[in-house]
Amino acid sequence: NAGVTQTPKFQVLKTGQSMTLQCAQDMNHNSMYWYRQDPGMGLRLIYYSASEGTTDKGEVPNGYNVSRLNKREFSLRLESAAPSQTSVYFCASDATGGFNEQFFGPGTRLTVL
Amino acid sequence: KNQVEQSPQSLIILEGKNCTLQCNYTVSPFSNLRWYKQDTGRGPVSLTIMTFSENTKSNGRYTATLDADTKQSSLHITASQLSDSASYICVVFSGSARQLTFGSGTQLTVLP
Repeated sequence: NAGVTQTPKFQVLKTGQSMTLQCAQDMNHNSMYWYRQDPGMGLRLIYYSASEGTTDKGEVPNGYNVSRLNKREFSLRLESAAPSQTSVYFCASDATGGFNEQFFGPGTRLTVL
Repeated sequence: KNQVEQSPQSLIILEGKNCTLQCNYTVSPFSNLRWYKQDTGRGPVSLTIMTFSENTKSNGRYTATLDADTKQSSLHITASQLSDSASYICVVFSGSARQLTFGSGTQLTVLP
């Protein structure tokens, strides 16, 4: 039981490049979330998926897109990376879809030059 | 604007000592308050979740308190260990707004 896994662990991009961050959970959870964590700030919600087939914007969705591929997988895409998107990205999941106890992945550290 | 403020920003203590971390919030309406532990390079891990009616909740050497009237919470760590070195994050959930508000964390360092 791996919990929530994320790939890659580290990534360096040039401004304007695109990439997709992958997240998978094996806990049969309904809801999945993407957050970003910046120094000196609390985690901020980018997008979430309350259940398979649905996605909703969070606090800071601009510059990102998401896909809930199936119940297990939730990906985050940066179409044209900007230096302001340099951050640590965390994926999380919870069982019931009501922002209940969330389980976090290990994070992806992204640097945009 | 909903906010969660944590203090101190950082704290250094000696192994075996106790410490208390503070969290003040202005989130409304309030549903529950959570404390997470985040080790360096890892994702946050839940320690406790407290609802409006709960004043105290323990998880091993971690004890969280909640005063919903003053909108304050504390996390007390007893007999600290080197493995307690981490960032501790306070999070407040507003159910009706379906919103989680995260504090920026207290960085705790436990020295031998």
